[in-house]
Amino acid sequence: NAGVIQTPRHKVTGKGQEATLWCEPISGHSAVFWYRQTIVQGLEFLTYFRNQAPIDDSGMPKERFSAQMPNQSHSTLKIQSTQPQDSAVYLCASSSGQGANTEVFFGKGTRLTVV
Amino acid sequence: GDSVTQTEGLVTLTKGLPVMLNCTYQTTYSPFLFWYVQHLNEAPKLLLKSSTDNKRTEHQGFYATLHKSSSSFHLQKSSVQLSDSALYFCALSRASSGQKLVFGQGTILKVYL
Repeated sequence: NAGVIQTPRHKVTGKGQEATLWCEPISGHSAVFWYRQTIVQGLEFLTYFRNQAPIDDSGMPKERFSAQMPNQSHSTLKIQSTQPQDSAVYLCASSSGQGANTEVFFGKGTRLTVV
Repeated sequence: GDSVTQTEGLVTLTKGLPVMLNCTYQTTYSPFLFWYVQHLNEAPKLLLKSSTDNKRTEHQGFYATLHKSSSSFHLQKSSVQLSDSALYFCALSRASSGQKLVFGQGTILKVYL
């Protein structure tokens, strides 16, 4: 079990460019989550999917951010026209159950730097 | 909305001493509480979880008790080790939000010789 795999681990983009972050959840897990981690804000929820369907995107900035899950083996987070304030570590996570106490497994994250 | 508060940003300790990391929460629902630990350049990993009032839960020498009367879930260890140096997050979920986690700001624990 390789765990949740995120690629790339580091990404540097110029201001105004697009960034796409990839996540491969643990095989068999039905839920996939995206979080953003910064020193100032800590860990913030962005969005999550269950069985590939979007369930809750209440944490997603309404402009420029979008997430998809085209199949059960990967999800993407796309940021259009990146801004310096988008610089953060983006964490993907997955879980197997539906209960609120089910363990959520995180990837190591993608560190996005917007210059 | 739901929230989690961790009052200490940084805790520094000498090896062998006890530690308590504070966690309080706010929710109008019945909560599930978690502690996650993140070592440098690693993924956050679940350390402890609980939803049972006044019952101590333990793992890897760490323990915590959910007290719904005070909305607290403090993390404790009786004797810290160098390898405990990490970032610790307290988090909350509730049944109606699935496994969506609301995190506290995190506490960095640094253990010295």
